[in-house]
Amino acid sequence: ELKVEQNPLFLSMQEGKNYTIYCNYSTTSDRLYWYRQDPGKSLESLFVLLSNGAVKQEGRLMASLDTKARLSTLHITAAVHDLSATYFCAVGRAAGNKLTFGGGTRVLVKP
Amino acid sequence: GAVVSQHPSRVICKSGTSVKIECRSLDFQATTMFWYRQFPKQSLMLMATSNEGSKATYEQGVEKDKFLINHASLTLSTLTVTSAHPEDSSFYICSARVNEKLFFGSGIQLSVL
Repeated sequence: ELKVEQNPLFLSMQEGKNYTIYCNYSTTSDRLYWYRQDPGKSLESLFVLLSNGAVKQEGRLMASLDTKARLSTLHITAAVHDLSATYFCAVGRAAGNKLTFGGGTRVLVKP
Repeated sequence: GAVVSQHPSRVICKSGTSVKIECRSLDFQATTMFWYRQFPKQSLMLMATSNEGSKATYEQGVEKDKFLINHASLTLSTLTVTSAHPEDSSFYICSARVNEKLFFGSGIQLSVL
C-alpha cells in the first residue's frame, strides 16, 4: 500500500525567510504532484514532477524530486503572507491518475 | 487550463435522504473522473474512479451501494450519497486529467443535518 508522509504538518513562517516542506512516499511511483489549498477552496496545481532529479520553479516556490530516495521537497524562498495556505503533495499511481495524498502542511506566514 | 465545475458549492440535506452532487468538465471531454472526499483539516482520500459508459471502480473501504457514481456523458459525472447521515458530511472534490495535469473542481461541501 502506497503511503505518503509530509512534514512538518504545520509551519509558521516569518516573512523573508526560507523554508522547506518534505514529502516521503513508500513505493515507486511515476509522478509526484504539489498542490495548494486555501481554506474552503479546492486544489490549485503547483507542480508535476515526472522524473528523477526533476526541478521546477514558479515564483518563490521550487519543487524537486529524488525518486531513489522517494523524496520530494517544496522550497519556499523569502516567504510572503500570500503564501499562507495548506500545501499537499500527492503521488500518482495507475499512470498518474489515482493520487495518494500526503497529510498536508499548513503554512502560516507572519509579518 | 481545463475547467472542472462543481455547483453549488454547498449542499445541505436531511439525514436519511439521498443527495446527488455533480462534476462537469466545461471545456474538454473526460472519459475518466475521480471523486475525493476531504474531512475538515484532513487530507483528500480517493473514493472512486468514474468511467464514462461503464461502472465506477471504488477504492477499498468505500461502500459502492452508498456512494453511487454515474458517468453518463463525457462531460458529467454524478455522485449520489444514499441515505445520508451526519458522518457523510464532508467536502467532496472531483478531478479529471488533461495531458499530464490533474484538474480539480471547486468542491462541494455536503452537510447532513
